[in-house]
Amino acid sequence: QKEVEQNSGPLSVPEGAIASLNCTYSDRVSQSFFWYRQYSGKSPELIMSIYSNGDKEDGRFTAQLNKASQYVSLLIRDSQPSDSATYLCAVKSNQGGKLIFGQGTELSVKP
Amino acid sequence: ETGVTQSPTHLIKTRGQQVTLRCSSQSGHNTVSWYQQALGQGPQFIFQYYREEENGRGNFPPRFSGLQFPNYSSELNVNALELDDSALYLCASGQGSTGELFFGEGSRLTVL
Repeated sequence: QKEVEQNSGPLSVPEGAIASLNCTYSDRVSQSFFWYRQYSGKSPELIMSIYSNGDKEDGRFTAQLNKASQYVSLLIRDSQPSDSATYLCAVKSNQGGKLIFGQGTELSVKP
Repeated sequence: ETGVTQSPTHLIKTRGQQVTLRCSSQSGHNTVSWYQQALGQGPQFIFQYYREEENGRGNFPPRFSGLQFPNYSSELNVNALELDDSALYLCASGQGSTGELFFGEGSRLTVL
């Protein structure tokens, strides 16, 4: 079992729709979770951090965390073509400060 | 823009050569980490430095080595390059407490 798993996609949604990206992790004691956006040929950009169960909203983005189910998700409301990118889920390891990344989900928002 | 800068942005080496990649951390950050990202994969942790000491290492062989300097700049050195070392090498800095890491633009290494 991979430490952090994401559906590789591609996930295709029409412009204006809600995009839902999912991530599961294996280490039950993990406490810190992150979503990064990576445009093709660019480096990852931090868009959300979440540390407590529940929802955290920032503009059109909502991160959801369920530690009991070991599940993290990212919702993007009113999706725009500019949201087309690969979204990486990352979990902070309890062994030092390293981040463990999933393989990323490619999102395509069609006009 | 994160304030983390890396150089060079692109480079081509041949198998067996050595390479040094450089990173300047964001002001106020005390940790620097290096990651390797192969095409189509998520970044893989190489190592992390805190106050000039390595304080975590991923599953990479000893030919991957690094340094952190007093001004929080950092180097990644890779000896005896192999074809599979072709990847995007990412430097990230952070403050440690939150776990948030901010990445530079990366150095894309091609090994022929």
